[in-house]
Amino acid sequence: GDSVTQMEGPVTLSEEAFLTINCTYTATGYPSLFWYVQYPGEGLQLLLKATKADDKGSNKGFEATYRKETTSFHLEKGSVQVSDSAVYFCALTGFGNEKLTFGTGTRLTIIP
Amino acid sequence: EAEVAQSPRYKITEKSQAVAFWCDPISGHATLYWYRQILGQGPELLVQFQDESVVDDSQLPKDRFSAERLKGVDSTLKIQPAELGDSAMYLCASSPGGDTQYFGPGTRLTVL
Repeated sequence: GDSVTQMEGPVTLSEEAFLTINCTYTATGYPSLFWYVQYPGEGLQLLLKATKADDKGSNKGFEATYRKETTSFHLEKGSVQVSDSAVYFCALTGFGNEKLTFGTGTRLTIIP
Repeated sequence: EAEVAQSPRYKITEKSQAVAFWCDPISGHATLYWYRQILGQGPELLVQFQDESVVDDSQLPKDRFSAERLKGVDSTLKIQPAELGDSAMYLCASSPGGDTQYFGPGTRLTVL
């Protein structure tokens, strides 16, 4: 079945550092790919998504590119802020299926 | 901005007791999902509704869990009897159709 493998955390960075959180997936057909963010005490918020190969999703300075050849959707940000501290989840919906399959999450902490 | 509402936000119960969680999706969203998120893991789908009909409940432990969405609007998830292993965050999400889901703040359940 479908699965998502995510870079294990926790990840601790200094403010203004470059961020990469790795995500790879296994799915049949052409899944849609997502990054969700969960701030402390809150539900999940959609950060960005990409629905086909080579698409780039972007939001709030974060980017991720749908790489079908490497089955990856790595999350990047050029300069992180303390307010980016949260748990980040990579997820997919299978072709013709609305069910979200999540990775285990990566906890990110940004130090001033 | 419309949001998914959930209540209660926190629930502590003893094992063998019954518990119920409520979700009010964004108005007009026909699809409603219940997910369970165990600490340190990504959410896993329990049940998906399309209007008042169950689309997918393959991962719902039906011996103790039940879910309903009688009028195709709000929904209730019940556990009876609760077990220690049910301690988790229970997330509700809704969607107008397509691949984007909007999550509520969740109900954190602790079973003692």
